[in-house]
Amino acid sequence: GAVVSQHPSWVICKSGTSVKIECRSLDFQATTMFWYRQFPKQSLMLMATSNEGSKATYEQGVEKDKFLINHASLTLSTLTVTSAHPEDSSFYICSAEGGLAGKDYNEQFFGPGTRLTVL
Amino acid sequence: DAKTTQPTSMDCAEGRAANLPCNHSTISGNEYVYWYRQIHSQGPQYIIHGLKNNETNEMASLIITEDRKSSTLILPHATLRDTAVYYCIVRVEGGGSNYKLTFGKGTLLTVNP
Repeated sequence: GAVVSQHPSWVICKSGTSVKIECRSLDFQATTMFWYRQFPKQSLMLMATSNEGSKATYEQGVEKDKFLINHASLTLSTLTVTSAHPEDSSFYICSAEGGLAGKDYNEQFFGPGTRLTVL
Repeated sequence: DAKTTQPTSMDCAEGRAANLPCNHSTISGNEYVYWYRQIHSQGPQYIIHGLKNNETNEMASLIITEDRKSSTLILPHATLRDTAVYYCIVRVEGGGSNYKLTFGKGTLLTVNP
């Protein structure tokens, strides 16, 4: 099956610093990738949709200048949390859209998530 | 995307079938029913999806009512590793930027020994 990885799996940083999270589709090409955020005991909230080679589309209420998304290739998207603050501490999950052999539709495959803690 | 309603939590004995209901009374004709699950501190995992016919794969079965206003995910022989939050999502099938998944609160299924 399709595999999506994220790096790092967890990160602790000081307030005011920037953190970059990578999302890779390991065995398929993903034209579209998605970034979600999940606070404790809450559901996943879509932050932005990223298409390879173009600007990301952000959901309402998500600051595009704070959460920088780059999707430079069909297998890699990055999310940079700039000037992180404690309220940005969360579980960040990416997903990549791809097709499986023998199926005529695309599926969304999720990464394992990155736990960000801002001190 | 149409809204779904799921019970907040359910319990199931290990080895028994787990039946997770979902109401989606406002589903449109071109919207599919998708099920994902999320084990604690992991990314969501795709389980199954369907339009109007019942579906079965190696993980589960999906039963959709004839009027498509509700569905049931069936795990035939639940194990402790099936303890997770199960999300029922309705959306159109397709790719690209329209392939958004809107997650509700889901059902926390706890499988007990």
